[in-house]
Amino acid sequence: SQQGEEDPQALSIQEGENATMNCSYKTSINNLQWYRQNSGRGLVHLILIRSNEREKHSGRLRVTLDTSKKSSSLLITASRAADTASYFCATGATGANSKLTFGKGITLSVRP
Amino acid sequence: ETGVTQTPRHLVMGMTNKKSLKCEQHLGHNAMYWYKQSAKKPLELMFVYSLEERVENNSVPSRFSPECPNSSHLFLHLHTLQPEDSALYLCATRQVSGTGELFFGEGSRLTVL
Repeated sequence: SQQGEEDPQALSIQEGENATMNCSYKTSINNLQWYRQNSGRGLVHLILIRSNEREKHSGRLRVTLDTSKKSSSLLITASRAADTASYFCATGATGANSKLTFGKGITLSVRP
Repeated sequence: ETGVTQTPRHLVMGMTNKKSLKCEQHLGHNAMYWYKQSAKKPLELMFVYSLEERVENNSVPSRFSPECPNSSHLFLHLHTLQPEDSALYLCATRQVSGTGELFFGEGSRLTVL
């Protein structure tokens, strides 16, 4: 299974602090993606990192990928109350019939 | 607005009812997905349509029946459901030759009484 497993399951931090979330997976991948979900809403794609990349940035987001350890981390810097949401990692391969496999998600609470 | 619209947003049905969930996309994508999201569980992939052909059926019970009449529309027909089928059903789309990013709708919250 390529299922991603996020860690921790829940994270509570103060506004302005950094939030670090981790994801581990079991088999080889072509890419790893992070998504965000506000309560009761759909998932929104945040960032994709390919297996030949080690680090990627997008605004306040920084993603790292260590294929030797089969793990990834998502760092949100200078967190805001609006960052409160669930965050999911998803692993997959490219191709016409590819599918993404999601983890259970991390619940992030940012206290104002 | 993600370009993927799901209706209805909320649905309550009895176990003997027949209902359908609808997904419509305006992104020109050629692959569409149904996912089930239950509390405390990972997203479960149910069905995949690629280029309007069903390419994945993840051991989903026959009481769930997908339909993809064209590249812009995807349906999930429901009949004789069980209370454990209560969940958030998410439609997603992507471009097969694209980056691999999925675009999700807001979901249909289903409650089976």
